[in-house]
Amino acid sequence: DGGITQSPKYLFRKEGQNVTLSCEQNLNHDAMYWYRQDPGQGLRLIYYSQIVNDFQKGDIAEGYSVSREKKESFPLTVTSAQKNPTAFYLCASSRDGSMNTEAFFGQGTRLTVV
Amino acid sequence: GENVEQHPSTLSVQEGDSAVIKCTYSDSASNYFPWYKQELGKGPQLIIDIRSNVGEKKDQRIAVTLNKTAKHFSLHITETQPEDSAVYFCAVLSGGSYIPTFGRGTSLIVHP
Repeated sequence: DGGITQSPKYLFRKEGQNVTLSCEQNLNHDAMYWYRQDPGQGLRLIYYSQIVNDFQKGDIAEGYSVSREKKESFPLTVTSAQKNPTAFYLCASSRDGSMNTEAFFGQGTRLTVV
Repeated sequence: GENVEQHPSTLSVQEGDSAVIKCTYSDSASNYFPWYKQELGKGPQLIIDIRSNVGEKKDQRIAVTLNKTAKHFSLHITETQPEDSAVYFCAVLSGGSYIPTFGRGTSLIVHP
């Protein structure tokens, strides 16, 4: 089955630690995206990548980092610099960088700082 | 940048009733308007979309209407069922950008 997979589903982090959220897709999509979802806030863009080895900051990139070394993978690192990291994180992909086509979302990772 | 307003934030209906969710946008160059459904604990899924050269699109019980002059578009769900209960997001894609702007979401509750 083709799709986009996020792992883990739940993640707990101690304050001061970096954590990495995994996102893998086997849809052969060029573009991948990371969103953060908070109650009542909708979806806010963290980072996006239109092509391998290239990525751009979104609206709320501070405290996050990404890499795009392979077409199918776009991991997100939540660093200790992110002051309020507890949230639901969604990864998405689309066929090309225009996103004028259907976006496929993963099932999300819920990160909690303890 | 693009500004997308979505209303209402919550909508409660009886099974069998219709539900309407409306979004307004600011950029007249916007040309792609998808709607996503997000069930509890899951990622959003595209349910219907419309492009700027079309005024209405239907898919079984779901329809989307677009008024480019007034810069608003709406999701219509007829004969609602309990499984329609979810959060619905509208999104807008402007011609000069390839990143959509999302509305804040509408929590739809369908009572049996």
